[in-house]
Amino acid sequence: GAGVSQSPSNKVTEKGKDVELRCDPISGHTALYWYRQSLGQGLEFLIYFQGNSAPDKSGLPSDRFSAERTGGSVSTLTIQRTQQEDSAVYLCASSPPSGSGTDTQYFGPGTRLTVL
Amino acid sequence: DQQVKQNSPSLSVQEGRISILNCDYTNSMFDYFLWYKKYPAEGPTFLISISSIKDKNEDGRFTVFLNKSAKHLSLHIVPSQPGDSAVYFCAPSQLNSGGSNYKLTFGKGTLLTVNP
Repeated sequence: GAGVSQSPSNKVTEKGKDVELRCDPISGHTALYWYRQSLGQGLEFLIYFQGNSAPDKSGLPSDRFSAERTGGSVSTLTIQRTQQEDSAVYLCASSPPSGSGTDTQYFGPGTRLTVL
Repeated sequence: DQQVKQNSPSLSVQEGRISILNCDYTNSMFDYFLWYKKYPAEGPTFLISISSIKDKNEDGRFTVFLNKSAKHLSLHIVPSQPGDSAVYFCAPSQLNSGGSNYKLTFGKGTLLTVNP
């Protein structure tokens, strides 16, 4: 079946511009996550959506970052007034409904963002 | 402040031998530990996990050992195969008030190369 898809795969933008990154989770997955991986670093948690609950935005690095999840499916991560330090690979993951609390996260291939 | 440390950026082993990847953590509240594997240009894929109530979990060629008192875990791959060549991430999590372990904290990863 189809996995998590992300678009675009690569994005080059100029400092100060806004960008939107898209994530299509696996159909039926209720949880969606955004991470970013800067060069030489591990993945950094950004935000978590679970069903209709309020998202956990505790990982967003600044108020220039925001994310939405429309209709419980597709999600968009928006970065306003991009800075060079925003350059990273942005990864989206989703996980199916589970009562165990230890949900396996399925990752997309990521969007490589380069801010010039 | 790195909560999760994978001190070996890279490891090279011969096909058929054992690969041992190590991970140290500082947060004593972590109670669920996952390993992810990542190939170039792909998202991480879940490999194996262990709960803090166990000290060993085995799945085929992969075994994870947890030493809670030392805040250390290791992933053993035996026998190693060339297809195992990838970056391996240690990703612990902490059960939150809602009973979920969704927020993973990733190490920087170890690049494993298995030579034929």
